[in-house]
Amino acid sequence: DAGVTQSPTHLIKTRGQQVTLRCSPKSGHDTVSWYQQALGQGPQFIFQYYEEEERQRGNFPDRFSGHQFPNYSSELNVNALLLGDSALYLCASSLYLAPRPETQYFGPGTRLLVL
Amino acid sequence: RKEVEQDPGPFNVPEGATVAFNCTYSNSASQSFFWYRQDCRKEPKLLMSVYSSGNEDGRFTAQLNRASQYISLLIRDSKLSDSATYLCVVNPSYGKLTFGQGTILTVHP
Repeated sequence: DAGVTQSPTHLIKTRGQQVTLRCSPKSGHDTVSWYQQALGQGPQFIFQYYEEEERQRGNFPDRFSGHQFPNYSSELNVNALLLGDSALYLCASSLYLAPRPETQYFGPGTRLLVL
Repeated sequence: RKEVEQDPGPFNVPEGATVAFNCTYSNSASQSFFWYRQDCRKEPKLLMSVYSSGNEDGRFTAQLNRASQYISLLIRDSKLSDSATYLCVVNPSYGKLTFGQGTILTVHP
């Protein structure tokens, strides 16, 4: 049973660049949520995708955008990178219509460093 | 005020000790509550859900007080392998998880 996978594992970018992170959900799951975790902080909700639509969004600027594909995998795009975007980006998958849809399984994350 | 607040610690305890973590949340409409564990440089993993009646899983006991908007986690007979960051998590709306900043626990021999 494949768990949540993310790529790449690490990434170094410079200010102003754009980045795309990828996530494949756990087998059988149809919903992907993205979180940003800065050093020493808990993860912060960015947005959630279900049926290829953004369903909920946290308090992040429009520089953060996403996409979900028909196979349920997802991408997170960040434009005009700032130093403060350096963080661990976590993808979590879940089943939208499950009895407990809030139960989410996290991938290993992508560590982004912006120089 | 933060949506979910935890004492960041760190907590340093000897093996065999009992340790308790507390957490408060601000959104009274929150429906689901969890404790996640995160090892250094790893992803968060669900430790246990928290139910209104309180629930126990081996050495771990979670309690919820909706009136006070307070959640707790008790770890008995601490093991070295319990060393990790413990994240209090609240589900304020469908699909969204709100995390506290985490409490660092170190169990020493």
